[in-house]
Amino acid sequence: AQKVTQAQTEISVVEKEDVTLDCVYETRDTTYYLFWYKQPPSGELVFLIRRNSFDEQNEISGRYSWNFQKSTSSFNFTITASQVVDSAVYFCALSGWWDSSYKLIFGSGTRLLVRP
Amino acid sequence: EAQVTQNPRYLITVTGKKLTVTCSQNMNHEYMSWYRQDPGLGLRQIYYSMNVEVTDKGDVPEGYKVSRKEKRNFPLILESPSPNQTSLYFCASSPPGVSNQPQHFGDGTRLSIL
Repeated sequence: AQKVTQAQTEISVVEKEDVTLDCVYETRDTTYYLFWYKQPPSGELVFLIRRNSFDEQNEISGRYSWNFQKSTSSFNFTITASQVVDSAVYFCALSGWWDSSYKLIFGSGTRLLVRP
Repeated sequence: EAQVTQNPRYLITVTGKKLTVTCSQNMNHEYMSWYRQDPGLGLRQIYYSMNVEVTDKGDVPEGYKVSRKEKRNFPLILESPSPNQTSLYFCASSPPGVSNQPQHFGDGTRLSIL
């Protein structure tokens, strides 16, 4: 079965600290996609990044970076020099076709609190 | 503006009173889906639709119905709501190639079933 685990329920940091949000996934398929979404206190879901299973290149976007490692089935997200506006719940998700059905499977989320 | 619109945003109702949450998208997306978000569980897929008249169950379909009679709309129907369906619901859509496309989410509907 497919599964996404975000073991960190809540993380609290002081502004300007770096923070890494962990994501571990499970699937036996070779073709799948991984996503990160942000849910700020206002409640909407904001797409951050997509990765396919054949592209292990790490990515950096401003203060955000993502480390995809198939060997450990992990897709971790790092925020450098965190800011108060980064406070949100962050979801990692796995998508693909299983049992002839499309599925988008979310982790339980990590709540990040950045204190001034 | 490209968007997914859900209505209502908030609803408090009672057990057994049928309700419908509407979802509409203006991006001509083929794929639409419904999720529920519960504390500690993340988002779970309820139903999805690959196109008009094509729907399929997600992971938690019990107690819900959907229909897709036109491309832009994908309503979620609770025929006889129960308190365990109290949750935050999201509708989403995406273009073809759904598994590798980010989904566009609505702003959410918070349902309370008393």
